Amino acid sequence: QSVLTQPPSASGTPGQRVTISCSGSNSNIGSNAVNWYQQLPGTAPKLLMFNTNQRPSGVPDRFSGSKSGTSASLAISGLQSEDEADYYCAAWDNGLSGLIFGGGTKLTVL
Amino acid sequence: QLQLQESGSRLLKPSQTLSLTCAVSGGSIARDHYSWSWIRQPPGKGLEWIGFIHTSGYTRYNPSLKSRVTISADRSKNHFSLELTSVTAADTAVYYCAGGNDYGDSPWGQGTLVTVSS
Repeated sequence: QSVLTQPPSASGTPGQRVTISCSGSNSNIGSNAVNWYQQLPGTAPKLLMFNTNQRPSGVPDRFSGSKSGTSASLAISGLQSEDEADYYCAAWDNGLSGLIFGGGTKLTVL
Repeated sequence: QLQLQESGSRLLKPSQTLSLTCAVSGGSIARDHYSWSWIRQPPGKGLEWIGFIHTSGYTRYNPSLKSRVTISADRSKNHFSLELTSVTAADTAVYYCAGGNDYGDSPWGQGTLVTVSS
């Protein structure tokens, strides 16, 4: 069981806005930045969001990140079929002194 | 642009030592303020952080693996390595190497499947 909790699945239709949540605690999300990773089927994960709300070069502005207290969210607007993937949140945990990942959310584009 | 490639033992028996190397091309492993990490993913499951080595030399490991893990870097060969001792079937996973800094640079290798089976 992951220290960061994500819904196992999410779905939306093309063009819709979808949000994926990541719930943690004061020792991780409450104290540190959150990263998000996108893993397309059969490929390595790719950094999608860093420092909670910053996009690496090349990531479309359809993707946005936010944090409130001990929870973080990834929002995808204008959903596209190529967004169908697994999404993972990650944060440093001060108590564990290590990086922790959420369990992942499988996004399906209907 | 950095490219990473994992190589090493892919089929192990229980109690053996897993050894993987990540070759870095397109740039130096000695770049400032950079961390070199290992992450694994059991088949059909989520991601698990193993640990990293910073270019300054310090390491951090997953507490659940700390007693069995060593991550090291060889600047002369421009690669970094993972050793995991006393493996069991629970260590079967795709192992990824990755780089990263605080500015969104985060190249990953393609991953290599390591299977532990008697």
